[in-house]
Amino acid sequence: AQTVTQSQPEMSVQEAETVTLSCTYDTSENNYYLFWYKQPPSRQMILVIRQEAYKQQNATENRFSVNFQKAAKSFSLKISDSQLGDTAMYFCAFRLEWGGSEKLVFGKGTKLTVNP
Amino acid sequence: DTGVSQNPRHKITKRGQNVTFRCDPISEHNRLYWYRQTLGQGPEFLTYFQNEAQLEKSRLLSDRFSAERPKGSFSTLEIQRTEQGDSAMYLCASSGSGVNTEAFFGQGTRLTVV
Repeated sequence: AQTVTQSQPEMSVQEAETVTLSCTYDTSENNYYLFWYKQPPSRQMILVIRQEAYKQQNATENRFSVNFQKAAKSFSLKISDSQLGDTAMYFCAFRLEWGGSEKLVFGKGTKLTVNP
Repeated sequence: DTGVSQNPRHKITKRGQNVTFRCDPISEHNRLYWYRQTLGQGPEFLTYFQNEAQLEKSRLLSDRFSAERPKGSFSTLEIQRTEQGDSAMYLCASSGSGVNTEAFFGQGTRLTVV
């Protein structure tokens, strides 16, 4: 089964602190892409960070970084120096490709609140 | 280009009525996806187009659902004989060619069936 599990339905963090959102996934594929998407309240989903499974180096985008453990099928997101604008739903996803088709498989999301 | 555009943003309909949603992808993107998102859940895949060809349909897409992408540009998603269980946010996304491309999402159409 191709699934994504986000075990933290809600999290909160104080402004300027660091928070880590967890994600585990299950796939039989060897080459795939992993993503973290952010969905602010009433706004569209935007890509935060992506990771190619064949790359061992963890991806980093400014204050956002991932801890990718391929053997453990774990893909956590660390947000440093949290800002009020980081308040949103965060979805972990992987891209599944087969026979010319493709889709993103999403977790249920983690609602992150950054408190002033 | 201002990104992926979806219309309408909100739709309230009575049970049994038909509804149609429209998605305008980013102009150079040949890949288009529809997802459904219910409260407290992540988006679930419905269907995938490459240019005008519908290459994949989820089992979630019952016979009452149909999607088209004429000429490989905008796409429509129609739901016939709506049911209360169809109430959800319907998201459209598009991406370009290549293995390392990002999917850009629209703001979605929120459907409420009463």
